[in-house]
Amino acid sequence: GQSLEQPSEVTAVEGAIVQINCTYQTSGFYGLSWYQQHDGGAPTFLSYNALDGLEETGRFSSFLSRSDSYGYLLLQELQMKDSASYFCAVRAGDYKLSFGAGTTVTVRA
Amino acid sequence: GAVVSQHPSRVICKSGTSVKIECRSLDFQATTMFWYRQFPKKSLMLMATSNEGSKATYEQGVEKDKFLINHASLTLSTLTVTSAHPEDSSFYICSARDPRELESNEQFFGPGTRLTVL
Repeated sequence: GQSLEQPSEVTAVEGAIVQINCTYQTSGFYGLSWYQQHDGGAPTFLSYNALDGLEETGRFSSFLSRSDSYGYLLLQELQMKDSASYFCAVRAGDYKLSFGAGTTVTVRA
Repeated sequence: GAVVSQHPSRVICKSGTSVKIECRSLDFQATTMFWYRQFPKKSLMLMATSNEGSKATYEQGVEKDKFLINHASLTLSTLTVTSAHPEDSSFYICSARDPRELESNEQFFGPGTRLTVL
């Protein structure tokens, strides 16, 4: 089976940088995804890492270390609209995703 | 990006009734769709993988006779919660991957269905 750990909550001010860590234990690993979900909304895809290293997409970056079973999502230049829940998810075979419990990010003015 | 819709967005039903939730891929054909359940402030739990033209694959602990899945076409999967009880109240979300995007691992999620069983 899969288990993922990520912090439950993070609070930061506008303009700050936030790093959300995710450690995982899994049988069968294809890659690590990150999704954003606003209250009551659908999860939306942010990034996917299959290989070690950093992937940058605008203000958001994601990192993976397969040997450490660890990844993180970096949110830079935080904006109020970034207040949401962020989930890491391990991709297993057949594109199935197992999600972490989610990290609630609260951005303060 | 690809679009996935769900209907209804919200449903309230009496205990003992059955509720059907539809999940459609609007601009692509999805041979596989996924059904999740989410409790408030909690993670998404994969319930089952819906396969077009064949039986769904259920995750451990999910009752297949309770949660009936039908994937009758390449753009539609349905989840029927049979004989619903208050403990079935939850947010149900479907997702699909666009098979045309060979290099992508992105899944597109529907907006979800809030089920309340009285």
